[in-house]
Amino acid sequence: GQNIDQPTEMTATEGAIVQINCTYQTSGFNGLFWYQQHAGEAPTFLSYNVLDGLEEKGRFSSFLSRSKGYSYLLLKELQMKDSASYLCAVKGYGGSQGNLIFGKGTKLSVKP
Amino acid sequence: DTEVTQTPKHLVMGMTNKKSLKCEQHMGHRAMYWYKQKAKKPPELMFVYSYEKLSINESVPSRFSPECPNSSLLNLHLHALQPEDSALYLCASSLTSGGFNQPQHFGDGTRLSIL
Repeated sequence: GQNIDQPTEMTATEGAIVQINCTYQTSGFNGLFWYQQHAGEAPTFLSYNVLDGLEEKGRFSSFLSRSKGYSYLLLKELQMKDSASYLCAVKGYGGSQGNLIFGKGTKLSVKP
Repeated sequence: DTEVTQTPKHLVMGMTNKKSLKCEQHMGHRAMYWYKQKAKKPPELMFVYSYEKLSINESVPSRFSPECPNSSLLNLHLHALQPEDSALYLCASSLTSGGFNQPQHFGDGTRLSIL
């Protein structure tokens, strides 16, 4: 079966660091994406991992361990505008080629 | 603003109406997608077009009918919808449907309300 788990909600303080975890069990793996979605807006692509390790992009980093079926998104120097939902999505292959399987999303609230 | 443009942004229609949602991209992407998103839920895939051909239909009811007239345009024709079809409908595109590191780029969506 296909299953992607991430925490429902998290709260953090402006200027701090927060780590959002994602675990997955899918029948195929062709990469893992993180998206940011502000309420009422479109998801925006943040990062992509297909090999084990850390990918860094400015204040955002994403880590992948394929053997553990685990990823995290790390947000540094949090800003109020980072308050949003963060979606972990796994890309399958084969019969579902191109099919993105989304987790339920983690709603992050950044407080002053 | 995104590089995937969806119109209209909002649509209110009755259960007997026929309407269409439109999506356009000029990034040269050859894969285009329709998703449905209910409040506080993740996007759910409806259809995938690859090189203008329907490649995935996720068991969507026939009252939703997709169309891909050319590589830049994607339509979703709506007919006899039900109140539970009220949702945000997102269009997305990617370079191809199967390659590595080809993120999907989403439009701002059409917020659909069925009366």
